[in-house]
Amino acid sequence: EIVMTQSPATLSVSPGERATLSCRASQSVSSNLAWYQQKPGQAPRFLISGTSTRATGIPARFSGSGSGTEFTLTISSLQSEDFAVYYCQQYNTWPLTFGGGTKVEIK
Amino acid sequence: ELQVLESGGGLVQPGGSLRLSCAASGFTFNSYAMSWVRQAPGKGLEWVSTISGSGGSTYNADSVKGRFTISRDNSKNTLYLQMNSLRAGDTAVYYCARVGGIAVAGFEDYWGQGTLVTVST
Repeated sequence: EIVMTQSPATLSVSPGERATLSCRASQSVSSNLAWYQQKPGQAPRFLISGTSTRATGIPARFSGSGSGTEFTLTISSLQSEDFAVYYCQQYNTWPLTFGGGTKVEIK
Repeated sequence: ELQVLESGGGLVQPGGSLRLSCAASGFTFNSYAMSWVRQAPGKGLEWVSTISGSGGSTYNADSVKGRFTISRDNSKNTLYLQMNSLRAGDTAVYYCARVGGIAVAGFEDYWGQGTLVTVST
């Protein structure tokens, strides 16, 4: 099983600042990496697939990068609605696996 | 409008069974793989099962193999998860989600609101 490790567990950021979230895979997942956002009491929301392709309607301030085992989600200028938990997921190999999440909180 | 709506959750005793359903609308159901993903209270996301668009291929997490069965009825645009031999560790919100892209192994692009399964005496 591929283990996905996200860091940091919690990121404190001021509105308008840049947030950089990391996701590491225990072995290569090629570019088969997705990101999701989840707010309290809500279902996850799909953000990015294929490491860097934004889903329909996702603002350009969200960007993904990386390949192989190291991936990054960057939120260029945090808006109030962006404070949430973010999960990465690899879909290169069964079983599909998620990272433990990074909570982005208001500083 | 694309929609997936889960039902069937509830309280069940350890060792018991439950069947979850997920009604889909707004897209060509049989053209997409579908998944179940769960989230224990206060915890992260855990992939559970995926089924191909035709229903001919299924994949399961080791934690549920031999106990849970994913299936679909394309004539009814409905996905199912039959859960047997339930344990306290299966307590979670269960999400139904559409698999985006062409491959069966893919990201989940549309999610339902989830249904809560509680396994307890």
